[in-house]
Amino acid sequence: GENVEQHPSTLSVQEGDSAVIKCTYSDSASNYFPWYKQELGKRPQLIIDIRSNVGEKKDQRIAVTLNKTAKHFSLHITETQPEDSAVYFCAASFGNEKLTFGTGTRLTIIP
Amino acid sequence: DAMVIQNPRYQVTQFGKPVTLSCSQTLNHNVMYWYQQKSSQAPKLLFHYYDKDFNNEADTPDNFQSRRPNTSFCFLDIRSPGLGDAAMYLCATSRDRKPDNEQFFGPGTRLTVL
Repeated sequence: GENVEQHPSTLSVQEGDSAVIKCTYSDSASNYFPWYKQELGKRPQLIIDIRSNVGEKKDQRIAVTLNKTAKHFSLHITETQPEDSAVYFCAASFGNEKLTFGTGTRLTIIP
Repeated sequence: DAMVIQNPRYQVTQFGKPVTLSCSQTLNHNVMYWYQQKSSQAPKLLFHYYDKDFNNEADTPDNFQSRRPNTSFCFLDIRSPGLGDAAMYLCATSRDRKPDNEQFFGPGTRLTVL
């Protein structure tokens, strides 16, 4: 069935260093891969997304890469700052309007 | 600003007492979703509407029902809440059925069951 795996579940990074979160998906028909950031007690918010016809997308300090052959995609945050501390969810659309979410990564930026 | 609004933000109910959570949107989006999110877990889709077309997830308990009387409003009814239904309930919208449409989330309603 439709499945998205996310690793690691927790990640601590020194301020200024980079953070990488990885996800794999099960269905090769998947064509849309968003990343959501959820701060404590707040709503998930889209931070970046990538479509299956693109291998990499960058928005300032955030980038996402997609390897369709291997069925995995990754979130890269460079020059991390304390406000990057949050839970990050990857997701995949399996050809319809529904998203399947990964299990989340709790990112902590150490000042 | 166009947005997704959920009321109430916090809801306390008693075991077995029906409760209704509401969601409204000013985005004029055709699709509305209800997710359940338990602590430290991913949002889990319960069901969604495309316009008035209701789509239930196979593993959503019968205890959960939904109504969408018009484009702007969607309700989640929990007929007989159990302790295991305590969670954050998130409403989300997207413009239409295209797979790559962004989903916009409301702030959520945190449900406590006593």
